[in-house]
Amino acid sequence: AQSVAQPEDQVNVAEGNPLTVKCTYSVSGNPYLFWYVQYPNRGLQFLLKYITGDNLVKGSYGFEAEFNKSQTSFHLKKPSALVSDSALYFCAVRFQYAGNNRKLIWGLGTSLAVNP
Amino acid sequence: DTEVTQTPKHLVMGMTNKKSLKCEQHMGHRAMYWYKQKAKKPPELMFVYSYEKLSINESVPSRFSPECPNSSLLNLHLHALQPEDSALYLCASSGLIDGYTFGSGTRLTVV
Repeated sequence: AQSVAQPEDQVNVAEGNPLTVKCTYSVSGNPYLFWYVQYPNRGLQFLLKYITGDNLVKGSYGFEAEFNKSQTSFHLKKPSALVSDSALYFCAVRFQYAGNNRKLIWGLGTSLAVNP
Repeated sequence: DTEVTQTPKHLVMGMTNKKSLKCEQHMGHRAMYWYKQKAKKPPELMFVYSYEKLSINESVPSRFSPECPNSSLLNLHLHALQPEDSALYLCASSGLIDGYTFGSGTRLTVV
């Protein structure tokens, strides 16, 4: 079965420290991988994606993610966390099935708290 | 700033009311989506429109009725909802290999 796992419900990090939010997936074929962020009472904002090419992907707000095919992982990283990065982060995988139909599978989300 | 616009931002409705949620995108995307999201949970897919035709209905109750009048507009008609239908309703659009672009959502409360 296709699935996406975010093993940590909550990640706490001090401001200025590096942060990592983990994501692993189990999807057949060549998936497209995404990270979204959601601030309180807001919609989902796109951060970055991996489709093909360089395994290190750079996105919005200084975030980056590394695609690791052998470990089926797509961890989100930032070298220096800001208090304003505190939010709910979702990993998602888009895969193709039944012709041209495509679906997003979502992880359960990781709540990031950056402490001043 | 979002390129997918949803109205209204907030909606309170009684269980006998009829209301509609609206979504508009000008990104040229040919796929549009309705999602339902409960607090601190991932969004749940409800409907997918591809080239203005309904391609996926995730077994959504008939009290939710989607409509796609043209390639830029998506509506969700609501009738006889239940309190458990209270949630954030998100519209999104996408291209072939793009990520999805989401609107800010409609916060729906059913009383």
